[in-house]
Amino acid sequence: DTEVTQTPKHLVMGMTNKKSLKCEQHMGHRAMYWYKQKAKKPPELMFVYSYEKLSINESVPSRFSPECPNSSLLNLHLHALQPEDSALYLCASSQENRGSNYGYTFGSGTRLTVV
Amino acid sequence: DAKTTQPPSMDCAEGRAANLPCNHSTISGNEYVYWYRQIHSQGPQYIIHGLKNNETNEMASLIITEDRKSSTLILPHATLRDTAVYYCIVRVAGNTPLVFGKGTRLSVIA
Repeated sequence: DTEVTQTPKHLVMGMTNKKSLKCEQHMGHRAMYWYKQKAKKPPELMFVYSYEKLSINESVPSRFSPECPNSSLLNLHLHALQPEDSALYLCASSQENRGSNYGYTFGSGTRLTVV
Repeated sequence: DAKTTQPPSMDCAEGRAANLPCNHSTISGNEYVYWYRQIHSQGPQYIIHGLKNNETNEMASLIITEDRKSSTLILPHATLRDTAVYYCIVRVAGNTPLVFGKGTRLSVIA
């Protein structure tokens, strides 16, 4: 299995809702990432997990809460989002090894619309 | 601050080679050059990477200048399916996360 699977593919939520995005990989990668991408912009890094521990939080608002229950799963819990949070949310994974040259594998993303 | 500079857009005729340039004049000795592409509505896809030698794989070739201040990604026979945004990224391998710049939007024209 050489894929990163993200669910759901599309999500519409109200500003008072609580929802979660899910990301799964079975490549044995020990680093996982969340990116946010607005229309016609490059992906922006949000969070990095290394060996199931949060290693980087790019000053993301607390209404986004990441979770890494095990080495294969990455969740992004959403609560009280704003319409400007509507975007494509991308998950990626990579082998975590200093000096490793392996590329990232990205999922196809979850397109989130906040109404 | 952006570590790379790429033209915002390029066109290429189908079947011809697409040559995508990237300037990285402040690259450090331990930073690699990575190329990714993103086809519309999909996640980015790894293409190739290199340190100082030219590299080739089944998707593309990467030519890095001797002073390492610039590089060119070559798609030897572009097809319509190669229409995408191409990102050139410099980073220390395995140490820093992938940070995307604005990229080049390549349009392959029939």
